[in-house]
Amino acid sequence: QVELVQSGAEVKKPGASVKVSCKASGYTLTNYAISWVRQAPGQGLEWMAWIDISKGIMKFGQKVQGRVTLTTDTSTSTFYMELTSLRSDDTAMYYCTRDRANGPQPPNDYWGQGTLVTVSS
Amino acid sequence: EIVLTQSPGTLSLSPGERATLSCWASQSITGYLAWYQHKPGQAPRLLIYDTSNRATGVPARFSGSGSGTDFTLTISSLEPEDFAVYYCHQRANWPLTFGQGTKVEIK
Repeated sequence: QVELVQSGAEVKKPGASVKVSCKASGYTLTNYAISWVRQAPGQGLEWMAWIDISKGIMKFGQKVQGRVTLTTDTSTSTFYMELTSLRSDDTAMYYCTRDRANGPQPPNDYWGQGTLVTVSS
Repeated sequence: EIVLTQSPGTLSLSPGERATLSCWASQSITGYLAWYQHKPGQAPRLLIYDTSNRATGVPARFSGSGSGTDFTLTISSLEPEDFAVYYCHQRANWPLTFGQGTKVEIK
């Protein structure tokens, strides 16, 4: 069965960086993309970034463009999202999702359990 | 960036009633619109994709329709487990975007 398991909660100071991992299993990784979506407290969902695993193509949201790095370790089926220059408004629950790459697959059909990132001095 | 506007912000209904949720896009997104259900403490759940395709395991009481810039999610008869926040999501243009959400609450 498809599963995405994320790393644990993080507390960071403003200006620091955070790296969240997402370990995938139960499907062929190169047939899909991975997206990252976050939800700040009391706010809605915000799409952050997307990576096509087979082609390495990446896309980013405007709020995080220039501060987010996506990497992949295919040997462990693990995906990473690193966010730098953290601000208080980066405090959120961060989700990885199995996403559509380039075809009719349902988008964001599986989600990780979420990783809470708190930015506080 | 395509802006998605959902209406209403909150929908107060009783179990058994019909729910109609709207999502308007700032420009045409053809049919590349999805709907997600989100409950507190859980990850969001895909309900509908490409306007009207139900995701695996989604009950038939959920249906999607629309085209161009106007889209609708309909829940034909609300069950107790349907009270949640619903988000629309466009996949026509980068960057991908979500609507601000509609909360369906028990009246």
